[in-house]
Amino acid sequence: EDKVVQSPLSLVVHEGDTVTLNCSYEVTNFRSLLWYKQEKKAPTFLFMLTSSGIEKKSGRLSSILDKKELFSILNITATQTGDSAVYLCAVGLDYGGSQGNLIFGKGTKLSVKP
Amino acid sequence: NAGVTQTPKFQVLKTGQSMTLQCAQDMNHEYMSWYRQDPGMGLRLIHYSVGAGITDQGEVPNGYNVSRSTTEDFPLRLLSAAPSQTSVYFCASSYSRGDEFPYEQYFGPGTRLTVT
Repeated sequence: EDKVVQSPLSLVVHEGDTVTLNCSYEVTNFRSLLWYKQEKKAPTFLFMLTSSGIEKKSGRLSSILDKKELFSILNITATQTGDSAVYLCAVGLDYGGSQGNLIFGKGTKLSVKP
Repeated sequence: NAGVTQTPKFQVLKTGQSMTLQCAQDMNHEYMSWYRQDPGMGLRLIHYSVGAGITDQGEVPNGYNVSRSTTEDFPLRLLSAAPSQTSVYFCASSYSRGDEFPYEQYFGPGTRLTVT
């Protein structure tokens, strides 16, 4: 059974801290790994990773994929209260008509205190 | 562009009632999908479509029907609502980028459904 596991499930930090969110997966026919941010509404896209070892960066957020060890991390440096959200990891599969389907983890709830 | 729109935003049903959740996108995306999100469960795929006239089941399809008569619209029908279908429902769509099809999904604002 395909599965995506995120850790920790919740995390409380103070502004300025650096956090690392983890996502591991066990799927057949891996194609890509995606990160989304969800703030009480629809998830918004952050990154899509398809190759190992290539860091994707956007401002204070960065992510990297390890296809050998089957995991990804999402780093947030100098956290701000606006980073408080649930961060979702999803894996895209690569077979037949299911190419578009995503398997989501349960999410990591990040709370950033002032 | 309006992106992905969903109606209604909130709905309360009694057990056994039926209804249709509407989803539309104006980005000419080929791929559309429906997810439900329950507390602590992440997003689970209900049904998806890779183009007009083509639909298939996801992880949790029981109790739901879909159709895709046009590229723009992908309604989700609850046949006989049950309390277990109380959830937040998200519609998503995605475009084709050749080898990267179709993973960067755009989500609608969601419909919060309560079944009593």
